[in-house]
Amino acid sequence: KAGVTQTPRYLIKTRGQQVTLSCSPISGHRSVSWYQQTPGQGLQFLFEYFSETQRNKGNFPGRFSGRQFSNSRSEMNVSTLELGDSALYLCASSWSGSGNTIYFGEGSWLTVV
Amino acid sequence: KNEVEQSPQNLTAQEGEFITINCSYSVGISALHWLQQHPGGGIVSLFMLSSGKKKHGRLIATINIQEKHSSLHITASHPRDSAVYICAVSISNTGNQFYFGTGTSLTVIP
Repeated sequence: KAGVTQTPRYLIKTRGQQVTLSCSPISGHRSVSWYQQTPGQGLQFLFEYFSETQRNKGNFPGRFSGRQFSNSRSEMNVSTLELGDSALYLCASSWSGSGNTIYFGEGSWLTVV
Repeated sequence: KNEVEQSPQNLTAQEGEFITINCSYSVGISALHWLQQHPGGGIVSLFMLSSGKKKHGRLIATINIQEKHSSLHITASHPRDSAVYICAVSISNTGNQFYFGTGTSLTVIP
């Protein structure tokens, strides 16, 4: 069974641009959650989607948004990029959410210059 | 204010040693996860706990809900155990919304 797939793995963007990251969950998983990891702040929860609806949201500005499609694939978007948005963005999926094992993708490394 | 505190931050051990990593949290949780992250970024979930104790091979995880404390033990440590171990608490009864510890960087020397 294929794992969680994130694309692209590496990207470099310029300050002020926007970026879209994609996550394909394990087949059958309906919960997809997104996380930001930086050396200074560690891992932080961004948001979670379940059945195309945002179910939980972390404390990030509105520049960070996401969506989930009917096939459970998810995208997150960051608009008006700032240097501080440089991070590893991780996606994870689970069957339904709390109480289930969570599976992480390899992450997308974003560098903002 | 950190909702999840881990200790130690860094740990170096000789191969074969017994290792303990501790996690304390200050919020109500629905579950606690122990995660392992190797260089390069990939994260693997080792355990999910809501009570008691779980064992998988040489790894043991325990949780005390009343004391809001969990421990991850590695018996007979091996160099391949070298990684960052992260404690994550789920605060949502329905979904995956986590607070994370800062991680423990473990190096096991042959």
